[in-house]
Amino acid sequence: KQEVTQIPAALSVPEGENLVLNCSFTDSAIYNLQWFRQDPGKGLTSLLLIQSSQREQTSGRLNASLDKSSGRSTLYIAASQPGDSATYLCAVPSGAGSYQLTFGKGTKLSVIP
Amino acid sequence: GAGVSQSPSNKVTEKGKDVELRCDPISGHTALYWYRQSLGQGLEFLIYFQGNSAPDKSGLPSDRFSAERTGGSVSTLTIQRTQQEDSAVYLCASPTLAGVIPGELFFGEGSRLTVL
Repeated sequence: KQEVTQIPAALSVPEGENLVLNCSFTDSAIYNLQWFRQDPGKGLTSLLLIQSSQREQTSGRLNASLDKSSGRSTLYIAASQPGDSATYLCAVPSGAGSYQLTFGKGTKLSVIP
Repeated sequence: GAGVSQSPSNKVTEKGKDVELRCDPISGHTALYWYRQSLGQGLEFLIYFQGNSAPDKSGLPSDRFSAERTGGSVSTLTIQRTQQEDSAVYLCASPTLAGVIPGELFFGEGSRLTVL
């Protein structure tokens, strides 16, 4: 059974800092990995999708890396802003051949002005 | 539509009543997920539809839960005889597909269900 762990559960940083969020998963038979953000009371917004054959993806100030063999992904946020405050979740397929996705419980990020 | 649309956004019901939650996926998306997010918990898979294939219902928590997708588009999640533990946000999502492999996932804003 796929298990996804996100560390830390919460993070508070001053504006302008660079930061790294971590995601680990137990079953490396994945076809992709996704990072999302969730604002309070809202649905999830897709940030980055990394295919299993890729090592990283970039979008603006966000960079996500994937080390499939070790079951790890990181989300790097450069020059953090108060608007980045949200919960960040990662998701991977639940197992080989599965179309279900298993989500981590997220990292709640607070960027202090 | 331009995005995934869910209704109602909020539903308060009494224990024992039936509720229906609706999801209208992105136009042209042939796959659709339902997830549940309880307070302080992660997202829990409920059901997955893809095209005309039999849906993956393995996440439905009990036989009080059912879902259908009519015409390959709109989906309805029905909860019969609601219980207080059914209180949660029910999220619908439609992915892009690469062949049959789900890709980027687009979520609706969710339907918040409160069972009194």
